[in-house]
Order: sequence, then C-alpha cells, then structure tokens
Amino acid sequence: KAGVTQTPRYLIKTRGQQVTLSCSPISGHRSVSWYQQTPGQGLQFLFEYFSETQRNKGNFPGRFSGRQFSNSRSEMNVSTLELGDSALYLCASSLAGTSGPNSYNEQFFGPGTRLTVL
Amino acid sequence: EDQVTQSPEALRLQEGESSSLNCSYTVSGLRGLFWYRQDPGKGPEFLFTLYSAGEEKEKERLKATLTKKESFLHITAPKPEDSATYLCAVQAGGGGADGLTFGKGTHLIIQP
Repeated sequence: KAGVTQTPRYLIKTRGQQVTLSCSPISGHRSVSWYQQTPGQGLQFLFEYFSETQRNKGNFPGRFSGRQFSNSRSEMNVSTLELGDSALYLCASSLAGTSGPNSYNEQFFGPGTRLTVL
Repeated sequence: EDQVTQSPEALRLQEGESSSLNCSYTVSGLRGLFWYRQDPGKGPEFLFTLYSAGEEKEKERLKATLTKKESFLHITAPKPEDSATYLCAVQAGGGGADGLTFGKGTHLIIQP
C-alpha cells in the first residue's frame, strides 16, 4: 500500500508571497491533518479535514488555510508569507471514523515539504 | 491545555547499552498516546499506540508502556540504526480524530 505523499518536497519563496502544498493520503484514509515542524516549537497541529470539512483547528493565524477534495487529497495554503513560516510542513492521514476501533485514529505521516521563506 | 514533556532531550548510548525514554503528559481525557521515530529530513514513522494505563507494546528492541501520567519507551540492546529522534504525542478524547499534541522529542545516538 502506498504511503502518504506530499508535493513539492522543497520550496523557496520570498516574504509576502503565497504558497500551496499538496498531500495525498493513504488509499482509504478519509482524514488528513497538517502539522508545522520547526526546531524551536517542534511539531504543532495546524488543522484536520475529514470528508471535505475542517473538523479541528490548531492555534495558527488565518493566513494558514486548507481544503480537502472528494478523493481525500488535501491542500494547505499560506498567504502573505513571513520569515517565521520557514518550516517542515507535514501531512498525516488516518481512517479516523467517528465510530469504530481506536486504531482508526492512528496517523501516518508523509515525508513533508520543506518551505524556506527568504 | 494538553501538554507533553519528553526527557532527556538527548541521549548518547553505546551499542548494546539498554535505556528508557520518558514521556510525561497532561491531557483532558486520553484517547491515545503515540510513539513515533523521526530520522533527519524525513516525516515521523509510526511505532506504537497505547490506549489505557497498564498497556504494553513491543516491536523488535523497543517496548512502550503507559501509566496514567507517563509513558516509557524502553530500548533493549540498541544498535546504531536505532539512532533517531523519538517523539511522543497524545490525542485528547472527543468525537473523531483530534490533532496530536507532540513533545519536543528525545534525540538518541547509539555509538558502535
């Protein structure tokens, strides 16, 4: 079974620009979560999408947004980039039904997109 | 607010020298505690999920245990390929899958 894929793997942008990152979950997984990883803050939860709806959101400004398509693929967008947005952006997928065994909530991560803002 | 604290921040061991990594947590209704391994430049690799106090899981040289306040990742007779950052995360109770709250990780180096 193919794992979570993320594109692009590396991205360089300048302040003020916007960026869109893409994530394809494991086949059959309906939930996609996004995380930001930096050396100082570690891994922080951005948001989670399930069946094309944002179900949970972390403590990030509105410049960070996302969406999910009917095939469960997801994109996240960051507008008006700041230097502090430089990070590894990770996507994770899970079965994540609202019922069923706890194992449905196990999240599997992709390789990440390394974003550098200059 | 959910919190996860991992210790030590870094650990250097000789090959074959067993040790334990600690993960202390505060969460409003634990739905699951997760252990991941992360190699440099890669995404976290899923290792274990623990759901209730007293539960234990094993995989090769790794064994994870859970109490009501903390989890331990025991590494028995480690090899250099076990070198990585080990991350602990908790998921709070509630409907559906909520975001994971991660600790800062333990950077483990196994010297040959």
